[in-house]
Amino acid sequence: DTEVTQTPKHLVMGMTNKKSLKCEQHMGHRAMYWYKQKAKKPPELMFVYSYEKLSINESVPSRFSPECPNSSLLNLHLHALQPEDSALYLCASSQEPKNQPQHFGDGTRLSIL
Amino acid sequence: QKEVEQNSGPLSVPEGAIASLNCTYSDRVSQSFFWYRQYSGKSPELIMSIYSNGDKEDGRFTAQLNKASQYVSLLIRDSQPSDSATYLCAAAGNTPLVFGKGTRLSVIA
Repeated sequence: DTEVTQTPKHLVMGMTNKKSLKCEQHMGHRAMYWYKQKAKKPPELMFVYSYEKLSINESVPSRFSPECPNSSLLNLHLHALQPEDSALYLCASSQEPKNQPQHFGDGTRLSIL
Repeated sequence: QKEVEQNSGPLSVPEGAIASLNCTYSDRVSQSFFWYRQYSGKSPELIMSIYSNGDKEDGRFTAQLNKASQYVSLLIRDSQPSDSATYLCAAAGNTPLVFGKGTRLSVIA
C-alpha cells in the first residue's frame, strides 16, 4: 500500500464531460505534484504545489485545472479533454519542494472516448 | 536545459547476475539523486536515494554517485526475475525532480 492515495483508479470519460481526480497524503509533506505518463515514457511534470500554493505550471492546457484545498489534498479538475489526454495520471508528494524524494500514488488510468 | 540521460535498454541479464544501470546528469547544481523502479502499468516506487559521493548499499541494491563525473549508477546483485522492470534515474536540486527516460531491465530465468 502506498501512503499517497489516488482516486479513482480508472476513469473513462467523454470529451464533453467534467470530472476530477483526487489525491491525498497524510505524511505531513508540504509539496505535492501532478504528473502525466504515457506508455513507455517517463513521468511528465504538470503542476507543483508548494505549501498549498501553485508554484509550477509546466504550460499545461487550461482543460486541466489543479486545486489544493489543504496541505493533505490535491485535486485535478478535467474538462473538455482530448483523446491524446488518455494516460496514467500520477500524484506525488515530498517533504519539501527541493532536494527531496517524491512518493507516488498508484495513479489514475484515464481514457478519453 | 537540465537533463538526465539513461540507456533505454533493454538490458538483459541472467538470473543471479549483477545488473548495472547507469545515468548521467547535466546540471551541476543537482544535489540529490534517486532511483525508482516501475513495473509495467504501475506507478514509480522509490528504491534508493543518494546524496553524497561514494556508494550506498541497501540489501541487494547499491547506488553509486560521482559528482565530478556527473554520474550515478545502480547495481542489483543476485538479480531475480521479479527485478524485471523499468528503472528511472532522477536528479533534484533547486527544482523538482528531473527524470531520465528509464532503462528497461529484463532478468532471464
